[in-house]
Amino acid sequence: QSVLTQPPSVSAAPGQKVTISCSGTSSNIENHYVSWYQQVPGAAPRVLIYDNNQRPSGIPDRFSGSKSGTSATLDITGLQTGDEADYYCGTWDYGLSGYVLFGGGTKLTVL
Amino acid sequence: QVQLKQWGAGHLKPSETLSLTCAVYGVSLEGYYGSWIRQSPGKGLEWIGEVSYTGKTRYNPSLKTRLTISMDMSTNQFSLKLSSLTAADTAFYYCARGPYSGTYSVHFDYWSQGSLVTVSS
Repeated sequence: QSVLTQPPSVSAAPGQKVTISCSGTSSNIENHYVSWYQQVPGAAPRVLIYDNNQRPSGIPDRFSGSKSGTSATLDITGLQTGDEADYYCGTWDYGLSGYVLFGGGTKLTVL
Repeated sequence: QVQLKQWGAGHLKPSETLSLTCAVYGVSLEGYYGSWIRQSPGKGLEWIGEVSYTGKTRYNPSLKTRLTISMDMSTNQFSLKLSSLTAADTAFYYCARGPYSGTYSVHFDYWSQGSLVTVSS
């Protein structure tokens, strides 16, 4: 079980907004940057958000990230069927000699 | 066009050593880490480790005793060796560029297609 906790699944209708949460601790999220990745079946993950709230070029502004304390959030507005995918948060953890943690992933279903 | 292409054995036996190499085309590894991430079938992402363009490494503590990651800047490639394999190491293995060296970011900007590595006798 991952130290970063995400809901296993979320769903919403096309055009609606969905929020995916990522809960951690002071040894990870609170003191490090958070990234979010989207993975459609059969493909490699791609970065949607890095450094808490930065979007790489080519990522629509429908995707936004934020962080507060030991939690981070990915918001997706104007849902499209093509947004159906697994979403993962990731960050560093101070534990042991330091390492990268990923959340367990959230399956987004667009109804 | 940026491409990361990886190669290595896809089927190994328990106790053997996995060797994978990732070649990066279209963008330099200069200033960056090269990272390895894996995903057991139907499961989530697991960070394996990374090597900087200067050769500095950072490893997942759970894999550290079996792991070696190295960089060859002359060919813009980096490699992974994971020894003493067990069935638990069966997974899709991805290489990725990032993060930017000197940071504790989790920003992997370019990824390979990944390859399935199966460990069984």
